[in-house]
Amino acid sequence: EDQVTQSPEALRLQEGESSSLNCSYTVSGLRGLFWYRQDPGKGPEFLFTLYSAGEEKEKERLKATLTKKESFLHITAPKPEDSATYLCAVQETSYDKVIFGPGTSLSVIP
Amino acid sequence: IAGITQAPTSQILAAGRRMTLRCTQDMRHNAMYWYRQDLGLGLRLIHYSNTAGTTGKGEVPDGYSVSRANTDDFPLTLASAVPSQTSVYFCASSDSDRGNEKLFFGSGTQLSVL
Repeated sequence: EDQVTQSPEALRLQEGESSSLNCSYTVSGLRGLFWYRQDPGKGPEFLFTLYSAGEEKEKERLKATLTKKESFLHITAPKPEDSATYLCAVQETSYDKVIFGPGTSLSVIP
Repeated sequence: IAGITQAPTSQILAAGRRMTLRCTQDMRHNAMYWYRQDLGLGLRLIHYSNTAGTTGKGEVPDGYSVSRANTDDFPLTLASAVPSQTSVYFCASSDSDRGNEKLFFGSGTQLSVL
């Protein structure tokens, strides 16, 4: 069964304290892995798509990486405005729909 | 550009009542989706539509129905609401009829069924 898990469930960082969020997935074939950011009371907002192991994407203080079984979202020198829930999702090659993980709630304290 | 508009923003509903959640997009995207988001479970797909005139079932379709009469509108109907349908509902769209790729989400509808 296709599955997406994320860890940790919640993460609290001091401003400037770099860290990583993990997304582990089990699918028979990966078509794409997606990262979204969700602010309270809003819908998720697209960040990145990764397609193959070894691929990396960057946006401001965020960098997403992909291996055959997991993806990491690295946050370098975070700021309070990076506080949000980060969602990982995967799409399997033979299945059009996307499976979302439960998310990691990130709090960055000034 | 508004993107995706959902209405209402929130609703309290008595069990057994019928309710339609509205979703409209102005991006001319082919594909549209309805998800529910529950704490600890993530986003789960209820129904989807790859193009106007077609719909399909997602992971948790029971108790819900959808229609796609045109490109822009994708309403979700609860025929007879039950408390387990208390959730936050998100409508989304994508510019692809062969998979989600980049999803654009609305701001959600908070539904409480009592």
